[in-house]
Amino acid sequence: GQSLEQPSEVTAVEGAIVQINCTYQTSGFYGLSWYQQHDGGAPTFLSYNGLDGLEETGRFSSFLSRSDSYGYLLLQELQMKDSASYFCAVRDQGTRFGAGTRLTVKP
Amino acid sequence: DAGVIQSPRHEVTEMGQEVTLRCKPISGHNSLFWYRQTMMRGLELLIYFNNNVPIDDSGMPEDRFSAKMPNASFSTLKIQPSEPRDSAVYFCASSFTQGTGGYTFGSGTRLTVV
Repeated sequence: GQSLEQPSEVTAVEGAIVQINCTYQTSGFYGLSWYQQHDGGAPTFLSYNGLDGLEETGRFSSFLSRSDSYGYLLLQELQMKDSASYFCAVRDQGTRFGAGTRLTVKP
Repeated sequence: DAGVIQSPRHEVTEMGQEVTLRCKPISGHNSLFWYRQTMMRGLELLIYFNNNVPIDDSGMPEDRFSAKMPNASFSTLKIQPSEPRDSAVYFCASSFTQGTGGYTFGSGTRLTVV
């Protein structure tokens, strides 16, 4: 079957580093994407990993291990505005989303 | 580019009525996706089109739902008849088919069926 697992909630303080893990099971796999969604807003694309390894975009990095069916999103130098839900998503024919991780950044 | 444009932003309708949601993808994107988001079920892929052709509609809940893409710049999602359990935020997204970039989402349509 198909599944995507990620923690439901994470809390961290401003300036800290947080890692959001994602494990997946899928019949087809092209890559792993990450999206951010603020309350009342639309999902916004953050990063995509098609190959194993680390992709860095500013304060955000994403990692993929295809052999382990595992990836993570790393957020550094957390800011209050990073409080949002973060979704991992498997890109096969379409893109299927995990349930999301709600990140709360505290002062 | 104005991004993915959805209309209406909000829709309140009575049970049994027909509802039509509209989407204009980003010019040049050849894949279009309809998603539904609820607290209980999260973000669900309903259907996606590639070059205006429906590729996978396995996520469409039942026959009350239908989607069309008559040309590269327009798609509709229709619910007929609507039911209270259809209440959700419906997102349209577009992308390049073979791109490694992500999807660009519209602002969504918040549908309430009373």
